[in-house]
Amino acid sequence: GQNIDQPTEMTATEGAIVQINCTYQTSGFNGLFWYQQHAGEAPTFLSYNVLDGLEEKGRFSSFLSRSKGYSYLLLKELQMKDSASYLCAVVDSNYQLIWGAGTKLIIKP
Amino acid sequence: IAGITQAPTSQILAAGRRMTLRCTQDMRHNAMYWYRQDLGLGLRLIHYSNTAGTTGKGEVPDGYSVSRANTDDFPLTLASAVPSQTSVYFCASSPGQGAGTGELFFGEGSRLTVL
Repeated sequence: GQNIDQPTEMTATEGAIVQINCTYQTSGFNGLFWYQQHAGEAPTFLSYNVLDGLEEKGRFSSFLSRSKGYSYLLLKELQMKDSASYLCAVVDSNYQLIWGAGTKLIIKP
Repeated sequence: IAGITQAPTSQILAAGRRMTLRCTQDMRHNAMYWYRQDLGLGLRLIHYSNTAGTTGKGEVPDGYSVSRANTDDFPLTLASAVPSQTSVYFCASSPGQGAGTGELFFGEGSRLTVL
């Protein structure tokens, strides 16, 4: 079967760094997306990785290891507005998206 | 503002009633999708359309139908609502054909409660 695992909830302090992990087991792999979703709002695109390595975009970075079936989203210099759910989604061999349940990130002052 | 518009934003519905959730996009995207989001579960694809005039079934299509008469509109119909269809429904679109081909753009969601 296809499976995406993310921690259900994480807590971090304003100004700190947090790493949100995502592990996957899917039928084929054609890329991995991260989306941000604030409570009561729509998901919005953060990043896309298809090759191994780190992609940096401002305070957010996303890492992929295809051999390990593993990705993480790294958030630096945390701000209160980063409190949201972070969704990991994998593109399988049929170019369908398989979604994780999301990680709720709570930022404390 | 360009994007995806969903209506209604919230609805309470009696079981057995018919309901249509509307979705309109003005980005001229080829593909459109309907997802449901339930607590503790990932987004689940209900139906999709890779281009106007075509539709396909997703992971959880039972009890739902869609149509794609033109590029902009992609309504989702619940023929006879049941309480298990209580959920938040998101419409999304993408320029390419297929959810895995690029970034998805989501509407603001429609919160449906079936009693």
